[in-house]
Amino acid sequence: GAVVSQHPSRVICKSGTSVKIECRSLDFQATTMFWYRQFPKQSLMLMATSNEGSKATYEQGVEKDKFLINHASLTLSTLTVTSAHPEDSSFYICSALEYTEAFFGQGTRLTVV
Amino acid sequence: AQKITQTQPGMFVQEKEAVTLDCTYDTSDQSYGLFWYKQPSSGEMIFLIYQGSYDEQNATEGRYSLNFQKARKSANLVISASQLGDSAMYFCAMREGLNNFNKFYFGSGTKLNVKP
Repeated sequence: GAVVSQHPSRVICKSGTSVKIECRSLDFQATTMFWYRQFPKQSLMLMATSNEGSKATYEQGVEKDKFLINHASLTLSTLTVTSAHPEDSSFYICSALEYTEAFFGQGTRLTVV
Repeated sequence: AQKITQTQPGMFVQEKEAVTLDCTYDTSDQSYGLFWYKQPSSGEMIFLIYQGSYDEQNATEGRYSLNFQKARKSANLVISASQLGDSAMYFCAMREGLNNFNKFYFGSGTKLNVKP
């Protein structure tokens, strides 16, 4: 199946700094990618839909200025958590669609200290 | 209303036995897809099985089968001959329509524990 690579898998950052997470589709082109956030023992919550060459569509309650999404190419979407705070600590996971299937990255565990 | 409902927060099954994980969905679309994913403790989402709304036969993939009851709007996952490595979180998901922009809706998940 298709491969989606997410990097980094783990990151620890200081409060107030920004962190960038990359999501790459390795063997297919993805015009649409999705970013999810998952709290411990909970389901995936969709944060935003990333569309190549246009602005991301954010879900209600997700701060656009806090979670910057860039989808500059057909194989790369990035999520930048700006001015991170401890409450931003979470598991972030991206997915890309190929036809009817969604393929997920390995996820990024962000810890803000 | 919730799009995807998984009513079993946790399940136990004896190794080598079969187990059914429940999933019901809510949609008014005629075209939709139903998915099951496995999430081990490492966090990655592993695709297991897909059922399209127009598929007349239940999907099967190895030890996984999807019991698709369209009239009841249910899409239960059946795992046959459970293995210890099946212990994980399992998520049911739905994608409405066939457009690439359509979002996935996930259920709350079921944690499966396989006992030796």
